[in-house]
Amino acid sequence: AQTVTQSQPEMSVQEAETVTLSCTYDTSESNYYLFWYKQPPSRQMILVIRQEAYKQQNATENRFSVNFQKAAKSFSLKISDSQLGDTAMYFCAFMRPGANSKLTFGKGITLSVRP
Amino acid sequence: GAVVSQHPSRVICKSGTSVKIECRSLDFQATTMFWYRQFPKQSLMLMATSNEGSKATYEQGVEKDKFLINHASLTLSTLTVTSAHPEDSSFYICSASIDSRGRSNYGYTFGSGTRLTVV
Repeated sequence: AQTVTQSQPEMSVQEAETVTLSCTYDTSESNYYLFWYKQPPSRQMILVIRQEAYKQQNATENRFSVNFQKAAKSFSLKISDSQLGDTAMYFCAFMRPGANSKLTFGKGITLSVRP
Repeated sequence: GAVVSQHPSRVICKSGTSVKIECRSLDFQATTMFWYRQFPKQSLMLMATSNEGSKATYEQGVEKDKFLINHASLTLSTLTVTSAHPEDSSFYICSASIDSRGRSNYGYTFGSGTRLTVV
């Protein structure tokens, strides 16, 4: 079974600064997908970024980028130029390939951006 | 992009009554939907996988007679909490893969959630 670990329950960052959220996972699969989801106070789950395990290049979406270390089974999220709207809970998630596979979520981390 | 519409957003019901939550996929077909439960400041807990035209698959520990799931069409899945009790109070969220070909590799789209309060 796959597991996803987010060991930091909370983090805080000053507006405009950079913050990195950690995530590790455990799997015996060689091919899989990793995601970061954001859940703001509205509680709407929003996909932030997606990484395919067979791609060595780290995914980037505007101010969001990941550091994917497959051998270390690490998948951290870097948020640059933090904005107040980035305040949210962030979940790391793992998914095996295949139609309608389940997402395995980490416990989440609460990020607060200070003005 | 693909949108899942979830209703109601909030519901308060009396203990012993049943509550139905609907999730509709807009502009796309969802052969599979997932139902989650979430407690405050905690992660999403998968309750069941809803399959169009067949029985839902429940996760271990989830009472299928209490949480009835129906997926009668490619665009609608419902979760009915039967004989609700205060301990059923929670936030319920549905999600769907993006199209009927199961392009889940792109990541799922989520409904906006339903806050259920049982009094």
